[in-house]
Amino acid sequence: QLQLQESGPGLVKPSGTLSLTCSVSGGSISDSNYYWGWIRQPPGKGLEWIGTIFYGGSTYYSPSFTSRATMSVDTSQNQFSLNLTSVTAADTAVYYCARRIIVGRPGWFDPWGQGILVTVAS
Amino acid sequence: EIVMTQSPATLSVSPGERATLSCRASQTVSSNLAWFQQKPGQSPRLLIFGASTRATGIPARFSGSGSGTEFTLTISSLQSEDFAHYFCQQYNRWPTTFGQGTKVEIK
Repeated sequence: QLQLQESGPGLVKPSGTLSLTCSVSGGSISDSNYYWGWIRQPPGKGLEWIGTIFYGGSTYYSPSFTSRATMSVDTSQNQFSLNLTSVTAADTAVYYCARRIIVGRPGWFDPWGQGILVTVAS
Repeated sequence: EIVMTQSPATLSVSPGERATLSCRASQTVSSNLAWFQQKPGQSPRLLIFGASTRATGIPARFSGSGSGTEFTLTISSLQSEDFAHYFCQQYNRWPTTFGQGTKVEIK
């Protein structure tokens, strides 16, 4: 059974860079049937898609994050990562990584990691 | 971007009753819509994709319907474990977007 696990600092200073890694187990990140994505959920709010990456390195970002987000993939470690620069308090959220199925087009997310709360504060 | 609007924000239902949740898209998404369940402190769980196809292991009391801009998630007879938040996601057009959610609470 595929499992995803987010890791990284739970506290980031304003204007700093948020860096998270998602470790994939029970399956290969190099499976061409899937993308790998990051989604976040600010406290008490809905879900926001940040970006998606393919194992070959192709990336797709939400317009809301394209200037600040960078995703990368490490197939040897079966991991992918997110860097989000110039963070503010508005970036405080639970960050989820998830697998995204390809059904001719990028589709739904399943499964999801358990999520990691990242707080932006000094 | 396509805006997904869910209603109601909160739905109060008694156990054993039917719950009907709505998700509306600001433009057509065909049948490219998924539903998720999220319980406090947990990550979202896929319920429905393709507007009406249940994901693996999802009980038959969950059903999805609709196409275009209007979608419905129906829980035919609410069980205690069904009280949770529910979100929809459109994946018809980039960027993918989510609704703000409906909280199903015990009446």
